[in-house]
Amino acid sequence: GAVVSQHPSRVICKSGTSVKIECRSLDFQATTMFWYRQFPKQSLMLMATSNEGSKATYEQGVEKDKFLINHASLTLSTLTVTSAHPEDSSFYICSASSGGNSPLHFGNGTRLTVT
Amino acid sequence: GQQLNQSPQSMFIQEGEDVSMNCTSSSIFNTWLWYKQDPGEGPVLLIALYKAGELTSNGRLTAQFGITRKDSFLNISASIPSDVGIYFCAGQLGSGTASKLTFGTGTRLQVTL
Repeated sequence: GAVVSQHPSRVICKSGTSVKIECRSLDFQATTMFWYRQFPKQSLMLMATSNEGSKATYEQGVEKDKFLINHASLTLSTLTVTSAHPEDSSFYICSASSGGNSPLHFGNGTRLTVT
Repeated sequence: GQQLNQSPQSMFIQEGEDVSMNCTSSSIFNTWLWYKQDPGEGPVLLIALYKAGELTSNGRLTAQFGITRKDSFLNISASIPSDVGIYFCAGQLGSGTASKLTFGTGTRLQVTL
């Protein structure tokens, strides 16, 4: 089945630094990928829609200059958390579809801890 | 952002019991999906529903797409310890590639021996 891979699975960084998270579709091409954020004991909240070759579409309340998204190829989207602060600590999850009516599959998530 | 309401929020059941959970929305969706999430991992797709009224099974799991398009339920029969986890419903206006998901609030399931 469709496989979505995220890297790294865990990252700890100091406040003020930037962190890049990768999302890859391993056995299919994805023109669209989605980035979600999940705080402890809460549901997944969509942050942005990543479109290959064009700008990402951000959900209301998500700062595009803080959460930079690049979707430079059909198998890779990256999310960069810039100038991270402790309140950015969360579980970040990407998803992608192999196309047509195929449902969205999710990566295994990245646990970001900002100290 | 919008969230779908799931109930119950959490449940403790004994191994072998059947489980039922549901998901309701104030707006219509054209696709309903059910995911299970284990701690520290991403959600894994359990069942996808594409038509109002559709009833679909996947092993011990059965899910239905409500006729009003505003709700869905998931049943788990004869629960086992590995059923422990958080179950999320998700609604989608379109299907597949470019249509984003709206997630439910989640149902935390714990199974005791």
